[in-house]
Amino acid sequence: AQSVAQPEDQVNVAEGNPLTVKCTYSVSGNPYLFWYVQYPNRGLQFLLKYITGDNLVKGSYGFEAEFNKSQTSFHLKKPSALVSDSALYFCAVRDAGGKLIFGQGTELSVKP
Amino acid sequence: EPEVTQTPSHQVTQMGQEVILRCVPISNHLYFYWYRQILGQKVEFLVSFYNNEISEKSEIFDDQFSVERPDGSNFTLKIRSTKLEDSAMYFCASRDRLAGTETQYFGPGTRLLVL
Repeated sequence: AQSVAQPEDQVNVAEGNPLTVKCTYSVSGNPYLFWYVQYPNRGLQFLLKYITGDNLVKGSYGFEAEFNKSQTSFHLKKPSALVSDSALYFCAVRDAGGKLIFGQGTELSVKP
Repeated sequence: EPEVTQTPSHQVTQMGQEVILRCVPISNHLYFYWYRQILGQKVEFLVSFYNNEISEKSEIFDDQFSVERPDGSNFTLKIRSTKLEDSAMYFCASRDRLAGTETQYFGPGTRLLVL
């Protein structure tokens, strides 16, 4: 069965420092991987996806993610964090039927 | 930029009452989904809908739940007799019909509280 794990419930970063939010996955076949961000009392906003091609995927708001097949990981990164990046981040994998399977989410806190 | 909209934003209901959550997907999208997020938990799939029928449903989506596309623009989720454990944020999502466009776009959600 497809699954996604986000090993960290919370990540704390100082503004201006690089950030990484970790995600590992388990799928059969080629993975379709996604990152979404959820701001307080808001819906899920699409950040980026990996379907095929370059392992480094660039997305919205300066975020990028690196697909690593051997480590079955799809970590979200940003070179320089902003306070406004503080939110809940979800990694997800698309299963064969088309539905998304989400990780449990990681709360990112960026302090000034 | 087109977006998925949902109404109401909040709904409070008594246990046993029926609720209808409404969604307007992005126009020209043909794949529709409902997910829910119980407070503090992960986002869970409920049901997917394509070509006027359910494509897939989860174990959560029992006989108390139904979905409908009544008029070609709205997509509704009905819970016939709500239970306390139905309290959650319900998200609608839609996806383009074109092959290779895998991204699901989510609405802002409806927060349902069952008392």
